[in-house]
Amino acid sequence: QQQVKQSPQSLIVQKGGISIINCAYENTAFDYFPWYQQFPGKGPALLIAIRPDVSEKKEGRFTISFNKSAKQFSLHIMDSQPGDSATYFCAASRGSGGYQKVTFGTGTKLQVIP
Amino acid sequence: EAQVTQNPRYLITVTGKKLTVTCSQNMNHEYMSWYRQDPGLGLRQIYYSMNVEVTDKGDVPEGYKVSRKEKRNFPLILESPSPNQTSLYFCASSPTSGGADLTDTQYFGPGTRLTVL
Repeated sequence: QQQVKQSPQSLIVQKGGISIINCAYENTAFDYFPWYQQFPGKGPALLIAIRPDVSEKKEGRFTISFNKSAKQFSLHIMDSQPGDSATYFCAASRGSGGYQKVTFGTGTKLQVIP
Repeated sequence: EAQVTQNPRYLITVTGKKLTVTCSQNMNHEYMSWYRQDPGLGLRQIYYSMNVEVTDKGDVPEGYKVSRKEKRNFPLILESPSPNQTSLYFCASSPTSGGADLTDTQYFGPGTRLTVL
């Protein structure tokens, strides 16, 4: 049973456009929602993270929007660049007291074309 | 250099032959975890450890064992590998703070690609 559902599976965006990736979760005990970026042949790396007490977090061109009532969160990449081409994973965990079980989405392969 | 190392990076083995994938981190992190990555399924957590001698199951623990005798090492053991354990495996570590800070990222190793024939 996939507790974190991620869409779309793949995404093609033109340079300068906005990339949007969506995730939905089921377990209301989750309280930490990170996004990871993975380049081919590498391990995932943390991009940005949010807790459910805020509705939005922005870091540079990357923004997480969080809707607690709908149990959904999304990643927006503004002014997408070819260097952003990678696979993106959302995740959810119970973070209080540190990491515990972590559940990842199935990933979105983003291609930014010049 | 702060890092998570995994060995071996690539392994081809046969069904039933016990194997161990080692994971070591040099950041004095309390939390360590193992994931497997399969196409279309994303990353799935196998086991995690909150500290020495403290381990717990993730979402897909069947067929795997772990131990945490030292803070820096967290080996993954496949007692009797089967073809459905063919996958890309990642080890990760993270500092654990009370009410994890948003910057408490998991640092991932480079991955171990395992093929079980």
